Amino acid sequence: EADIYQTPRYLVIGTGKKITLECSQTMGHDKMYWYQQDPGMELHLIHYSYGVNSTEKGDLSSESTVSRIRTEHFPLTLESARPSHTSQYLCASTTGNTEAFFGQGTRLTVV
Amino acid sequence: KNEVEQSPQNLTAQEGEFITINCSYSVGISALHWLQQHPGGGIVSLFMLSSGKKKHGRLIATINIQEKHSSLHITASHPRDSAVYICAVRWAQKLVFGQGTRLTINP
Repeated sequence: EADIYQTPRYLVIGTGKKITLECSQTMGHDKMYWYQQDPGMELHLIHYSYGVNSTEKGDLSSESTVSRIRTEHFPLTLESARPSHTSQYLCASTTGNTEAFFGQGTRLTVV
Repeated sequence: KNEVEQSPQNLTAQEGEFITINCSYSVGISALHWLQQHPGGGIVSLFMLSSGKKKHGRLIATINIQEKHSSLHITASHPRDSAVYICAVRWAQKLVFGQGTRLTINP
């Protein structure tokens, strides 16, 4: 049973608002990831972390920021949401030689 | 060019057929994952491989580290196997995805 949770599942928000997408895992995994996925399209890595106080940008510039103050928590913040940010955001975690676990995703719509 | 390439991108087959999905990668990896995503659903891990072969039910995954290639096989395919199958590799602390293979199994 995967113990990785994303909130909210769905969010509709106005342009220019600041939003934070939450991702938490209770498995003690050191590596966590955020991906963006448009419907029917491939996943693009936005940010990743390989431990507390370590964060790196992925291949997709999404004008977002992340933090990793605690092992279990990896929130993603959009300072000023735009319609181009409308997408599904998926969080994942893994460690060592374990399989990767994925949250259920947050479907974001910016109007 | 993507570090991870999958083929085919789309595959339609009849129930009962043997299915093969391929994944090639161009970087040095520590592990390779095969994942499944149903329409509108989350992503489920099927296998994690660093060498050899793994089997789970009707699913078999193989990897050849020297050739930088992995395959996912489905035996006796069923319409419930219809989903997107994704190959992902662990490389330089990242988990990098292929573009996915959309599999449709018709009854």
